[in-house]
Amino acid sequence: QQQVKQSPQSLIVQKGGISIINCAYENTAFDYFPWYQQFPGKGPALLIAIRPDVSEKKEGRFTISFNKSAKQFSLHIMDSQPGDSATYFCAAATGGFKTIFGAGTRLFVKA
Amino acid sequence: DSGVTQTPKHLITATGQRVTLRCSPRSGDLSVYWYQQSLDQGLQFLIQYYNGEERAKGNILERFSAQQFPDLHSELNLSSLELGDSALYFCASSVEGSPYNEQFFGPGTRLTVL
Repeated sequence: QQQVKQSPQSLIVQKGGISIINCAYENTAFDYFPWYQQFPGKGPALLIAIRPDVSEKKEGRFTISFNKSAKQFSLHIMDSQPGDSATYFCAAATGGFKTIFGAGTRLFVKA
Repeated sequence: DSGVTQTPKHLITATGQRVTLRCSPRSGDLSVYWYQQSLDQGLQFLIQYYNGEERAKGNILERFSAQQFPDLHSELNLSSLELGDSALYFCASSVEGSPYNEQFFGPGTRLTVL
């Protein structure tokens, strides 16, 4: 019940395209959903996060869409660039629990 | 640079041995987290400390232990090492112990068990 399922495992997108990564959770107590970005050889870093009181949050080219009833959320990267090539982790948390991370998605943006 | 430091960067050892990984959190952060990252399993939460006390426990093996010292640095001890323990070990820190706080990750320690 505390799992966060992330898909796809890997993703190849053309430069300028839209990258979409999906996550699903089961525990309705989760109320904080961050996304972390990890470049090769580095630790993950917070990219963007959302609370379930909004359905969408946008920061630059990065948008989180949140569907509370379906218990799903997704990351959209608009105008994907080669510099976006990294591993992306979704996560879910709530005050009484540790943060649960998804398995990660390796994104490769072709120039 | 996240401000979290981890040493050593690389560690190569043999099965059955014991190693200690060290983490210094960002200045002012009271909470430290340890994660294991292997190729096929993403980020696995091991354990969290807050101001010297254990706060939460994840999928940490009995052969592994950790502690946070009064100066807030933390050590992860791995003993009776097995081949399957080869992985990247990340330390992260946050201001408080709340899951709502951003976690700042260190560069990781790559452990290879031969």
